[in-house]
Amino acid sequence: RKEVEQDPGPFNVPEGATVAFNCTYSNSASQSFFWYRQDCRKEPKLLMSVYSSGNEDGRFTAQLNRASQYISLLIRDSKLSDSATYLCVPGAQMDSSYKLIFGSGTRLLVRP
Amino acid sequence: NAGVTQTPKFQVLKTGQSMTLQCAQDMNHEYMSWYRQDPGMGLRLIHYSVGAGITDQGEVPNGYNVSRSTTEDFPLRLLSAAPSQTSVYFCASSNPGLAGDEQYFGPGTRLTVT
Repeated sequence: RKEVEQDPGPFNVPEGATVAFNCTYSNSASQSFFWYRQDCRKEPKLLMSVYSSGNEDGRFTAQLNRASQYISLLIRDSKLSDSATYLCVPGAQMDSSYKLIFGSGTRLLVRP
Repeated sequence: NAGVTQTPKFQVLKTGQSMTLQCAQDMNHEYMSWYRQDPGMGLRLIHYSVGAGITDQGEVPNGYNVSRSTTEDFPLRLLSAAPSQTSVYFCASSNPGLAGDEQYFGPGTRLTVT
């Protein structure tokens, strides 16, 4: 099993739709999780951090399910500008490893 | 603050040539890392460093060397370029710790090996 797995998509949704992506991780020692947004092979930029069960920021909600080892990202009322690739990454593990391994990303296309 | 800077922005190499991609940050971050991103793929970790003088291998380290003589700089050296190393290279930095894992990325270096 890969350390971090994401559905590559693309998810093709109309404006105003609600869409959710999942990200599964293998290392149960991970304490924090991050969602990044990447536009057209530019550098990734942080979208949301998750340290406990979840986090909400406007139209974006991230939820953590430790029992099943996945985090989700929910986007409500999708905008055209939300079209991008969304990458998840578990934060530093509390063991000796400090490798920050990204998922391969989920591509979102929002159509008019 | 300039954040994370990378040079050059673009580079074309011939097979067998060597070169160094530069990365610098001015945020006093302990952790720095190099990723490569191939078309349609995610980020793959090449090498990382948890502080000056300490480096370790990531997922795809073969063909690359790194050094970390200062906190600010983390250069990536391609020993003998191969077409398979054609990619976009991103450098990132952060501070370890629960609240400090947000990584700041440089703008990337687009490398083509012919």
